[in-house]
Amino acid sequence: DAMVIQNPRYQVTQFGKPVTLSCSQTLNHNVMYWYQQKSSQAPKLLFHYYDKDFNNEADTPDNFQSRRPNTSFCFLDIRSPGLGDAAMYLCATSRVQGDTEAFFGQGTRLTVV
Amino acid sequence: SQKIEQNSEALNIQEGKTATLTCNYTNYSPAYLQWYRQDPGRGPVFLLLIRENEKEKRKERLKVTFDTTLKQSLFHITASQPADSATYLCALDINNDMRFGAGTRLTVKP
Repeated sequence: DAMVIQNPRYQVTQFGKPVTLSCSQTLNHNVMYWYQQKSSQAPKLLFHYYDKDFNNEADTPDNFQSRRPNTSFCFLDIRSPGLGDAAMYLCATSRVQGDTEAFFGQGTRLTVV
Repeated sequence: SQKIEQNSEALNIQEGKTATLTCNYTNYSPAYLQWYRQDPGRGPVFLLLIRENEKEKRKERLKVTFDTTLKQSLFHITASQPADSATYLCALDINNDMRFGAGTRLTVKP
């Protein structure tokens, strides 16, 4: 059974049109992460939540926002997608922050046209 | 700033041989290090975690070493199989956040 579910698997959006990616988890983990991964590159941490505490990476553009309405769900909002935002977006969870494995979803492949 | 480098983009080996992948890091002393497997178009899958006070960890055909003096981790797959072909990512704990290297794409040829 999938434990971290990302929807949709593939998303096509128009340049400048807001888009939301979603992530849900059945693990009841405290920590949820969003990563951006471009082809042949390292997953880049955008932000994470420890419970309701939001932590934004210093170099994450303001164009990217996140919401976590409850333990199970987390959303990534891209307010005005540019061509450079086309990437795989990965959601991950971990029980605690630090010394523990992370569980990833299958990712959402975002295309900007 | 912290850097995580994985030795090569791609590694090709023959089935049955041992694959050795390298992860080097600079400007940080992580408390632990993790290795993940990523197949094309999929999210990473956790393989092993090794802590700074552990020299070596094993799981079936996998072995990880962690040398905090050299700032290096080695990841070994023994008796490799074509099904082991994937990208392998190392990840470091940096300020309690998990940061990844770019990965090494391993191809095991029959």
